[in-house]
Amino acid sequence: TQLLEQSPQFLSIQEGENLTVYCNSSSVFSSLQWYRQEPGEGPVLLVTVVTGGEVKKLKRLTFQFGDARKDSSLHITAAQPGDTGLYLCAGALTGYSTLTFGKGTMLLVSP
Amino acid sequence: GAGVSQTPSNKVTEKGKYVELRCDPISGHTALYWYRQSLGQGPEFLIYFQGTGAADDSGLPNDRFFAVRPEGSVSTLKIQRTERGDSAMYLCASSLGRDSFTDTQYFGPGTRLTVL
Repeated sequence: TQLLEQSPQFLSIQEGENLTVYCNSSSVFSSLQWYRQEPGEGPVLLVTVVTGGEVKKLKRLTFQFGDARKDSSLHITAAQPGDTGLYLCAGALTGYSTLTFGKGTMLLVSP
Repeated sequence: GAGVSQTPSNKVTEKGKYVELRCDPISGHTALYWYRQSLGQGPEFLIYFQGTGAADDSGLPNDRFFAVRPEGSVSTLKIQRTERGDSAMYLCASSLGRDSFTDTQYFGPGTRLTVL
């Protein structure tokens, strides 16, 4: 059973479109992180959210942590080809527990 | 400064052989993590070191897998009697400490292991 479910698994869009990807769980997390991974590289941390209802913005990326701290979303505005990659969410059940990753959403942005 | 490095970048071996995968963390990072990522999956935790000691090895799948960090810096993941199911990307990450709220894990580029 996957602790973190990400959807969709794959998303192919045109440059300039907006998109939202989701990360859901039945468990409550103390913190949740989003990473982006490009082929042949390790994941790179984008953001950490720790407070229920928290919204963080990183340029064209908006991250939201659900009020109950069980889910999160990542919204990208005006996607660019450079946004292409595997987007992973990862949660920690406590502040000092290991990270559990979802399977990721593979995003392809075409020019 | 230098990031996390892993060697080799690719390793092809035969079933039953022994392999060692090396990780050089960022200088000064006391925490070091090993993950395994299969195709179409997210990284799966294997083991965590704080300094020289393995603080949490609950993710190691069986006793064929072992990891060391003798001087609190470089770590080696060792796999004995490799099986085809061990084929995956092995990722190493390091961080200043263990607090998931504040300590960013920096990942290396990984070692792609293929067991024929």
